[in-house]
Amino acid sequence: NAGVTQTPKFQVLKTGQSMTLQCAQDMNHEYMSWYRQDPGMGLRLIHYSVGAGITDQGEVPNGYNVSRSTTEDFPLRLLSAAPSQTSVYFCASSRDYSTDTQYFGPGTRLTVL
Amino acid sequence: AQTVTQSQPEMSVQEAETVTLSCTYDTSENNYYLFWYKQPPSRQMILVIRQEAYKQQNATENRFSVNFQKAAKSFSLKISDSQLGDTAMYFCAFTDSNYQLIWGAGTKLIIKP
Repeated sequence: NAGVTQTPKFQVLKTGQSMTLQCAQDMNHEYMSWYRQDPGMGLRLIHYSVGAGITDQGEVPNGYNVSRSTTEDFPLRLLSAAPSQTSVYFCASSRDYSTDTQYFGPGTRLTVL
Repeated sequence: AQTVTQSQPEMSVQEAETVTLSCTYDTSENNYYLFWYKQPPSRQMILVIRQEAYKQQNATENRFSVNFQKAAKSFSLKISDSQLGDTAMYFCAFTDSNYQLIWGAGTKLIIKP
């Protein structure tokens, strides 16, 4: 049982490049979400999904896209990377909405030059 | 705006001592969920304890307990018999009216041998 997995663990991009952060869970959780963590701040919600085919915006969605074609996978796409997107990104899942225990992936440290 | 405030950016205590981390939040909702998450140096985010606002009894998990004061909108975490492995960032969070998690900025806890 792998839980929540994220790839890659580290990534360096140049301004303007695009990339996809992968997230997968094997717990059959309906709710999945993406957060970014910046120094001195709590986690901020980027996008979330309450089930396959359903996504919605969180607090800081600009510059990011998501899709949820299966229950297991929830990739996060950076469309045109900017230095302001330098952060640590966490994917999380829970059985039912955010009122349930969230299980987090190990995070991706992204640097945009 | 719904917010979470953790007023102690950093704390340190000796091993085996008891420490209390403070958290206050602001919401007009009556039913919500409160959480404490721990993030050790490994960066993995782990649930410590969860409290449902409609339950008056304070949640406990082994050495971890909360003091939930709903009227005061206070949700402090007490760690008894602290251990070196408790060294971590601790984040307080609660669910907003849209069931999204709102996070505090965190408290860095250092347990000294």
